[in-house]
Amino acid sequence: GNSVTQMEGPVTLSEEAFLTINCTYTATGYPSLFWYVQYPGEGLQLLLKATKADDKGSNKGFEATYRKETTSFHLEKGSVQVSDSAVYFCALTPNTGNQFYFGTGTSLTVIP
Amino acid sequence: GAGVSQTPSNKVTEKGKYVELRCDPISGHTALYWYRQSLGQGPEFLIYFQGTGAADDSGLPNDRFFAVRPEGSVSTLKIQRTERGDSAVYLCASSVLAGDTGELFFGEGSRLTVL
Repeated sequence: GNSVTQMEGPVTLSEEAFLTINCTYTATGYPSLFWYVQYPGEGLQLLLKATKADDKGSNKGFEATYRKETTSFHLEKGSVQVSDSAVYFCALTPNTGNQFYFGTGTSLTVIP
Repeated sequence: GAGVSQTPSNKVTEKGKYVELRCDPISGHTALYWYRQSLGQGPEFLIYFQGTGAADDSGLPNDRFFAVRPEGSVSTLKIQRTERGDSAVYLCASSVLAGDTGELFFGEGSRLTVL
């Protein structure tokens, strides 16, 4: 089946710290992988995506690399800001249908 | 507006009542999705529309849940005989094309509380 497992939170970091949020997946076929972010009081929005193995998605200083050998898509940022405080969701679509499968979300709080 | 709009933003109802939740997708988006998000969980797929038809309703938990999209734009999620376990945030999302591996655009959700 298809599923996403991501690092449990909550995560609290000081401003300018390095961030990693782990995400691993199980999928049939060759999925596309995504990170969505939900800022307080807002809907989920796409942060970045990768559609094939070894692709790197990047946006707003965040990066994630599609690793087929380890079935992983870990989210990283070198220097977090207070404005990065949000809930981050890893997701996949197996490309054989129209369903997106989401992880449980990781809450990040960045303190000044 | 430019984004996905969901109404109501909050709905409190009593066990056994009927509820309708509305989603107005981004203009021109042919694909529309409903998800349910319980506290501390990620969004869980309910149903997907391509145009007016429900292309995949495998995520609907039981026959108390039903959704329509009669004109291929606005969609309504209908829940009959609500139960306390139905309490959750119901999310609607739209995208440009069916099966597109691009972006889902989400609304802010409708928070349903069943007392």
